[in-house]
Amino acid sequence: GENVEQHPSTLSVQEGDSAVIKCTYSDSASNYFPWYKQELGKGPQLIIDIRSNVGEKKDQRIAVTLNKTAKHFSLHITETQPEDSAVYFCAASYTGANSKLTFGKGITLSVRP
Amino acid sequence: GAGVSQSPSNKVTEKGKDVELRCDPISGHTALYWYRQSLGQGLEFLIYFQGNSAPDKSGLPSDRFSAERTGGSVSTLTIQRTQQEDSAVYLCASSLVQGTDTQYFGPGTRLTVL
Repeated sequence: GENVEQHPSTLSVQEGDSAVIKCTYSDSASNYFPWYKQELGKGPQLIIDIRSNVGEKKDQRIAVTLNKTAKHFSLHITETQPEDSAVYFCAASYTGANSKLTFGKGITLSVRP
Repeated sequence: GAGVSQSPSNKVTEKGKDVELRCDPISGHTALYWYRQSLGQGLEFLIYFQGNSAPDKSGLPSDRFSAERTGGSVSTLTIQRTQQEDSAVYLCASSLVQGTDTQYFGPGTRLTVL
């Protein structure tokens, strides 16, 4: 089955700096890669996703890049703000019957004011 | 519109008791998923429904766990004879169709087994 790994497990950045979170996956059949943000006491919220027919996707301060050859994808947050502090999860799945998202263990991002 | 809702938000129970957790998906979403999140851990897949059927029950940790979905909408996750290791946040998500469609999560139910 699919195995998704996130590195590092914690990340601390100064407000205004950029943050990059990386994930690797094992199943070359995976073609959908979402990123979720989870704030304390809340459920995960989708912030951006990418499908394997594109290499990069941007949404304001957030971008995701995908390298299918190397089987890794990254979340980029620019001009970080304190409200970006949260746990971020990456996930992977493939199109097909019985496919399901496999999540990484999450990374705690702290943005220092 | 309304998102995914779960109830109760918190549940404290004694070891050995049964508990029922409820999930109301987004209206019109045919796929529904249950996950478990232990303290400081990622999301562990438990089971998913497409309509009322559950093609994949492989994630259920033991036969004490069961889930059902009726009318293609509300789902309940039942844990019988709860154990302390069952303590976790149980998250429900729904998507328009099963597969690589966006999953929308509820706020979760925090279960504490004493």
